Parts: sequence; C-alpha cells; structure tokens
Amino acid sequence: DAKTTQPPSMDCAEGRAANLPCNHSTISGNEYVYWYRQIHSQGPQYIIHGLKNNETNEMASLIITEDRKSSTLILPHATLRDTAVYYCIVRVTGTASKLTFGTGTRLQVTL
Amino acid sequence: DTEVTQTPKHLVMGMTNKKSLKCEQHMGHRAMYWYKQKAKKPPELMFVYSYEKLSINESVPSRFSPECPNSSLLNLHLHALQPEDSALYLCASSRGGALNTEAFFGQGTRLTVV
Repeated sequence: DAKTTQPPSMDCAEGRAANLPCNHSTISGNEYVYWYRQIHSQGPQYIIHGLKNNETNEMASLIITEDRKSSTLILPHATLRDTAVYYCIVRVTGTASKLTFGTGTRLQVTL
Repeated sequence: DTEVTQTPKHLVMGMTNKKSLKCEQHMGHRAMYWYKQKAKKPPELMFVYSYEKLSINESVPSRFSPECPNSSLLNLHLHALQPEDSALYLCASSRGGALNTEAFFGQGTRLTVV
C-alpha cells in the first residue's frame, strides 16, 4: 500500500474553506486517492475519491497534483459539524482491496 | 438504502463468554470488512470477505472468528477475549470486484471485556 502523510491537526474558522493536505509520494499509477472522515464515536464516512483529475461533489472538492504525489481536500464553507478526523487513503488494487487508514488530520472548526 | 447496520451497539462480556457481533447490508455489496478501533487511533483492518469467502486475514488472533453466512450478513464470533480487546468494532461493505468503489461503514459495536 502507498503510505500517506497528513498533518496531525488543523484549525479552521466556521464559514471559511478548510484545505486538508495529504502526501502520497509512492502512489502507483492505478491507485485511487480516497478521503473519509470520522466524527467522534461514529463510523467513518466516505467523502470523495479520485484518480488524477480534480473531483467535486456536494461535500467537498479533491485536488490531485499532476504528478499524483499529493492531494488536497477542500471543504468550501466549513461548519462546526465538519469537526472530525479526516483520513486520506490510497486504495490498493484487488478484488476486495484493503482500505488502510493512516493517522489522519483532526480538523477543529471554530466560531 | 446505503446503510450498514451493526448490532448490538454496545456489548459487555466476560473473558470466558462467547458472543457474536452482527453486520447487515442490503446494497448488494459483495465485499465486507471488519475493523477494530482503539480510542484515539485509526481503524485497523481485521478481515475482508469477498463473495462470501475470506480473502484477507490480517493475522488476527483465533479468539476472533469471522463468518459470512450469505452476501448480506457478516458475523464476528468472540471467545475468550482479553480486556485489551475492548474497542469499537466497525463493519463496512463495498461493491467489490472493482477498484474505485467507496466503502460504507456501520456505526460500530462498542465492546468492553471485563
């Protein structure tokens, strides 16, 4: 599995954009980048994923660099309910492939 | 329906007890997963089932015994656990067979071993 590196914690003011970085310098050409988040004591929640193009959905945007060695998850208007641990994961190939969590970034959204 | 249902939500068991955790999904997913999560740590993969067959066992002790009786159900049988096995146990499912499919997680069973 490609390893990912994320800052352990970040703060963001409510209403502002939260930009969460992730390094995955050993990613292989056919591995996708996934983002999940886990709000306290709940199961992880899927946010978004991508291969090499930027992606956007109703929750967030994912920006992947051209060399695919890093990515940024963007929450355009963070709210208090976005306070969570955010995990950047590189998905291994396989019929039922592993989803291996790193240590993640604890995002605290404040008033 | 994008729900993965885990029961029970909470479980307290003694070290000599036998208990089971249950996970159910009705999304037609053919890959199902068990994770263990200790406090303030990321989820750790335990087992992966693909098309009802065990495909990945992450060197989990034999006191944890998974079972996939059909494509919608996943059980985790527990026997002779230790207090350090107390954790949040998470179940997940995904479509399987394809690379870029998201996994859906249940809310977990919080297990306490006394």
